[in-house]
Amino acid sequence: NAGVMQNPRHLVRRRGQEARLRCSPMKGHSHVYWYRQLPEEGLKFMVYLQKENIIDESGMPKERFSAEFPKEGPSILRIQQVVRGDSAAYFCASSEDRGRGEKLFFGSGTQLSVL
Amino acid sequence: SQQGEEDPQALSIQEGENATMNCSYKTSINNLQWYRQNSGRGLVHLILIRSNEREKHSGRLRVTLDTSKKSSSLLITASRAADTASYFCATDYGYGNKLVFGAGTILRVKS
Repeated sequence: NAGVMQNPRHLVRRRGQEARLRCSPMKGHSHVYWYRQLPEEGLKFMVYLQKENIIDESGMPKERFSAEFPKEGPSILRIQQVVRGDSAAYFCASSEDRGRGEKLFFGSGTQLSVL
Repeated sequence: SQQGEEDPQALSIQEGENATMNCSYKTSINNLQWYRQNSGRGLVHLILIRSNEREKHSGRLRVTLDTSKKSSSLLITASRAADTASYFCATDYGYGNKLVFGAGTILRVKS
């Protein structure tokens, strides 16, 4: 049973380009979370999705960032017109459909570098 | 902010010693979780303690929770070099499993 899969592992973009980060949750998991981590800091919540629904996007910047989790396929975190401040590690996590209070399973992250 | 805060920020110990990390939070919680992160990797869940529990054990890990003080501690006994990592506490609030993470404690175990 594969864990949470994220790709690419490393992504380099120039300022103004678009970045697409993909996340396939663990088999049987229907809840996906995206977090961002700056160097030597904790993870900052960005967005929480279930299949075809955004449940909580309170941690997502209002502009340039969007996320989806379609009925088929991976969850996508999309950053348009990237700026240097977007450089960070982006982690995806998933959980089973059990409601609150269960542990999260994390992917290995995508390291985004904006030149 | 409802974010958990860990202390110390960094801890360096000799192999075989015990390591204690603390976490404080600001609002009522349903549970508190501890995660470990090796450099450049994702987080791995270690242990979950619910708000109605006071202590929990898992192997060499011992977690305590004091809801009156809004604090938790993680004790790693008989540490090993392989325990070198960053350790984060996370509290849940809101709908679903939206966890709020602290800034972490960097643990270095010297052999």
